[in-house]
Amino acid sequence: GAVVSQHPSWVICKSGTSVKIECRSLDFQATTMFWYRQFPKQSLMLMATSNEGSKATYEQGVEKDKFLINHASLTLSTLTVTSAHPEDSSFYICSAPGFDNSPLHFGNGTRLTVT
Amino acid sequence: GNSVTQMEGPVTLSEEAFLTINCTYTATGYPSLFWYVQYPGEGLQLLLKATKADDKGSNKGFEATYRKETTSFHLEKGSVQVSDSAVYFCALRGLSGNTPLVFGKGTRLSVIA
Repeated sequence: GAVVSQHPSWVICKSGTSVKIECRSLDFQATTMFWYRQFPKQSLMLMATSNEGSKATYEQGVEKDKFLINHASLTLSTLTVTSAHPEDSSFYICSAPGFDNSPLHFGNGTRLTVT
Repeated sequence: GNSVTQMEGPVTLSEEAFLTINCTYTATGYPSLFWYVQYPGEGLQLLLKATKADDKGSNKGFEATYRKETTSFHLEKGSVQVSDSAVYFCALRGLSGNTPLVFGKGTRLSVIA
């Protein structure tokens, strides 16, 4: 079945540094990928929609200059958290859609801790 | 816009008890409906789905029926196990193009032996 691989699974970084998270579709092509953020004990909130070959679409309230998204190929989307701060500590999850109404395929998530 | 309302937890049950987690939705048209499960420290796994009215999704003893008349997709299991302890998310996805999932807030289930 369709698999989405997300890397790294966890990362600890110092405040002010940048962190890149990769999301790969392993056995299918994804022109669109979705990036979600989940704070502890809360639901998943859509941050942005990553589109291959064009600019990402950001949800209201998400800073596009802080959360840089690059969808360089049909199998890879990256999320870079720039100048990270402790409040950016969260669980970030990517997903890619199947065809029509098939369920989205999720990566295993990346737990980011900013110290 | 589309939204999902899910019963708040946490829910604590004894092993072999009956489980119901309520989920209702608001959407234009007829979305697809899903239940996802998140075990501690892990990502999301699809538990079951239903794509049209009166469809019943089922997996691992869990069931949910797409009720258009009540705009509901309640999750049920007849006899829960300790291994079912997790957070359960109800979600919907619209029909148009590559649309993201809209999630409920999640319900934490703890099953005690």
